[in-house]
Amino acid sequence: EPEVTQTPSHQVTQMGQEVILRCVPISNHLYFYWYRQILGQKVEFLVSFYNNEISEKSEIFDDQFSVERPDGSNFTLKIRSTKLEDSAMYFCASRSGQTYGYTFGSGTRLTVV
Amino acid sequence: DQQVKQNSPSLSVQEGRISILNCDYTNSMFDYFLWYKKYPAEGPTFLISISSIKDKNEDGRFTVFLNKSAKHLSLHIVPSQPGDSAVYFCAARGSSNTGKLIFGQGTTLQVKP
Repeated sequence: EPEVTQTPSHQVTQMGQEVILRCVPISNHLYFYWYRQILGQKVEFLVSFYNNEISEKSEIFDDQFSVERPDGSNFTLKIRSTKLEDSAMYFCASRSGQTYGYTFGSGTRLTVV
Repeated sequence: DQQVKQNSPSLSVQEGRISILNCDYTNSMFDYFLWYKKYPAEGPTFLISISSIKDKNEDGRFTVFLNKSAKHLSLHIVPSQPGDSAVYFCAARGSSNTGKLIFGQGTTLQVKP
């Protein structure tokens, strides 16, 4: 079964450092998303991406965050200057245009120290 | 933002019995609802969905019921199995066209052998 692949599975970074979280969505999917889940809280929407541009972003997705689909297969989330409160599981997801259900990746656990 | 609420943080049932997980929402513009299951250290996995124009959708042991007037949906698992033990998230498709999902807080289901 096709999978969404995320790397790394765990990233530890110093506060103020830049991090890039990587995702390879399912190849024929058209819509791409990043969500995050802070420990013990709900899964929260960050950003949606379609046709090589951001289609919607949440208030969490401020100027410190950016997304890119540099080569038609990878989909990255960059946090420019990490803060302690950015520590969370970050999930990438993709969907085809045919369904509303997403396929999620296994997540990247980001720990900011 | 409490548009989707799962008021029971946990549920414990005996193997073979019915599990009923509940979800309430406040936004009448939601047009599609989904249930996801999540194991530790994995991403959410799509289980079953329902359009707002229906009141029931069934897939094997899983049935989702939607009561639009009460803004309530429920997931029934019959019969429950120990492998069903996981966190279950209710999600609603936002009113934008981006496919953004709004998640509840999740309910941890434990099925005892």
